[in-house]
Amino acid sequence: AQTVTQSQPEMSVQEAETVTLSCTYDTSESDYYLFWYKQPPSRQMILVIRQEAYKQQNATENRFSVNFQKAAKSFSLKISDSQLGDAAMYFCAYRSLKMNYGGSQGNLIFGKGTKLSVKP
Amino acid sequence: DGGITQSPKYLFRKEGQNVTLSCEQNLNHDAMYWYRQDPGQGLRLIYYSQIVNDFQKGDIAEGYSVSREKKESFPLTVTSAQKNPTAFYLCASSIALAGGYYEQYFGPGTRLTVT
Repeated sequence: AQTVTQSQPEMSVQEAETVTLSCTYDTSESDYYLFWYKQPPSRQMILVIRQEAYKQQNATENRFSVNFQKAAKSFSLKISDSQLGDAAMYFCAYRSLKMNYGGSQGNLIFGKGTKLSVKP
Repeated sequence: DGGITQSPKYLFRKEGQNVTLSCEQNLNHDAMYWYRQDPGQGLRLIYYSQIVNDFQKGDIAEGYSVSREKKESFPLTVTSAQKNPTAFYLCASSIALAGGYYEQYFGPGTRLTVT
C-alpha cells in the first residue's frame, strides 16, 4: 500500500521569505499523481499544485513550485515571497492511476499535514 | 455557482444516536467521496462512489454507511457503532479529465461533535 509522509508537523516563515515543505511517499507504481493541498482556518481544502509522475519538469503555479525527485520519492513544496494568507495546513497527497475497488487504491492518500505559520 | 455543499457546518448529537451528514454537488461529477479528518491524522477515506447506486468502502468504513441514489447526493450516516465519531468530515467529488487524471473538489466540511 502507498504511504505519504510529511515529517514537519509545523513550520514558520517570515513574510516575503521562502519556505520549503517536505513530503516523501512510498509506492511500487511508476505512474501516479502527486498533489499539494492547502487548508486555511476556514478548513476548505484548496488544490495548490499537482505533478504527474511521468513529467520530469517540476510543476509551478505562481509563487508555488515543487521539487519532484521520482527516484528518491520526494515531493517538496516551495512557497516564494510568503504572504500572510499562506498561513494554513498543507497536505501532500498521492493518487494512483489504477482504479481498483476494495480499498483506497485510485483515490487520494494524504500525509498528516504541515502547519505553516507566516510571521509579519 | 457550481460547487459542493455540506450541511450543517456544525452538528451535535448524543452518544448512541445515528446522524446523517449531507453532501450535494451540482458539478455533474460522477465520483463522490467522504473523508474524516482528525487532528494530526490528515484525511482518511471512509467511503467512495464512482457511479450512482454503487459505492465502496475506504480505509475506515466501520461504523459508517452511505447511499448514492442520485448523482448529486452522497449522504453519510454515522451510526452508533462508530466508536469515536467526533471529527471533521469532508465530502469531495471528482471528474475524469484527460490522461486518467481525476481532480477532486472538496466541500466546506461538517464538524460533528458527539457527547
